[in-house]
Amino acid sequence: KQEVTQIPAALSVPEGENLVLNCSFTDSAIYNLQWFRQDPGKGLTSLLLIQSSQREQTSGRLNASLDKSSGRSTLYIAASQPGDSATYLCAVLANAGGTSYGKLTFGQGTILTVHP
Amino acid sequence: DTAVSQTPKYLVTQMGNDKSIKCEQNLGHDTMYWYKQDSKKFLKIMFSYNNKELIINETVPNRFSPKSPDKAHLNLHINSLELGDSAVYFCASSHKSGGNTIYFGEGSWLTVV
Repeated sequence: KQEVTQIPAALSVPEGENLVLNCSFTDSAIYNLQWFRQDPGKGLTSLLLIQSSQREQTSGRLNASLDKSSGRSTLYIAASQPGDSATYLCAVLANAGGTSYGKLTFGQGTILTVHP
Repeated sequence: DTAVSQTPKYLVTQMGNDKSIKCEQNLGHDTMYWYKQDSKKFLKIMFSYNNKELIINETVPNRFSPKSPDKAHLNLHINSLELGDSAVYFCASSHKSGGNTIYFGEGSWLTVV
């Protein structure tokens, strides 16, 4: 059974800092890994998707890496801003015999607060 | 334009009632999902439909019955609501059973009293 763990559970940093959020998963047989952002009272916004064959993806100030063999992913946020404050969720997509069935397994999330 | 929309956003109802949450996506995706986020903020998949066909039923009580009239809609009907059903329910969609990015709706906050 796949389990996803995110560390830290919460993080508070001053504006401008570079930061790293960590995600680990127990079963390396994944199809892809996605990082999401969830704002209070809102749905999930997909930030980055890394296919199992890829090592990293970048979008603006965000960079996500994937080490499938060790079951780890990191989300790097450069030059953090107060608007980055949100819960960040890591999710892995199950790979069942080469066919993805869309079963995302989520971590509990990291609550990020960036203060001015 | 809203890609994945679900209604209602907030729902407060009494135990024992039957309620439905509707979901529509205008992205042309062939796969739709229902996820549940409990009070501890854990998100877990409930159902997955591909081209109106049930793909995943993640041991959800049979009081929960999804219905997909077409590829763009996946509604969730809940019978005999219980206190433990209180949660946020998220609808989502993607191409090709999730091989691509999964897009989520804004959630439906269900409170059973």
